[in-house]
Amino acid sequence: DTAVSQTPKYLVTQMGNDKSIKCEQNLGHDTMYWYKQDSKKFLKIMFSYNNKELIINETVPNRFSPKSPDKAHLNLHINSLELGDSAVYFCASSQPLAGAQGEQYFGPGTRLTVT
Amino acid sequence: GNSVTQMEGPVTLSEEAFLTINCTYTATGYPSLFWYVQYPGEGLQLLLKATKADDKGSNKGFEATYRKETTSFHLEKGSVQVSDSAVYFCALSLAFTGGGNKLTFGTGTQLKVEL
Repeated sequence: DTAVSQTPKYLVTQMGNDKSIKCEQNLGHDTMYWYKQDSKKFLKIMFSYNNKELIINETVPNRFSPKSPDKAHLNLHINSLELGDSAVYFCASSQPLAGAQGEQYFGPGTRLTVT
Repeated sequence: GNSVTQMEGPVTLSEEAFLTINCTYTATGYPSLFWYVQYPGEGLQLLLKATKADDKGSNKGFEATYRKETTSFHLEKGSVQVSDSAVYFCALSLAFTGGGNKLTFGTGTQLKVEL
């Protein structure tokens, strides 16, 4: 069974379109995250949700809107896509009470290409 | 602020060679330290972690020691295999108010092991 899954795996779209990426975890975790990995492999956190509440919101354009319908799901919607949004987006989850020691479990990633 | 610096790659080694990937950090607070590994086309997996000074994390022949005095967490392996070819990320983790933890990653070091 896949612990953290993302759909789609690949997404190719044109500038100006709106798209969504879905994430689901079956680990029973309360905390979920979105990361962006750029073409140089640099990883940066975008958002974190704990029990459906937003707790981390890094400096991300407001074209990006996360939504958590329940604890097991965290979706990422992107409006008006730009060339610079091309990247691999990773979803992750962790146990909130583990604090700094907590391992984050990552999904396989969604490669977004904006043309 | 928090940051992680790791050695630039790519690192190319022959099978059975000794591996060291350097990692140093700056942090506000007392972080936990992690090494994650990313195999081609996959998400990140936890390789090892250490949660306090002088702790040694180890897994699959890899090890790293949390050195508070030098703010370092260097990754080592005595004898690498072709299957170790991947990108290795050093990360620090701090607990976040509201739940979960915030990972700050280094830039990643690509390792290629040849026969």
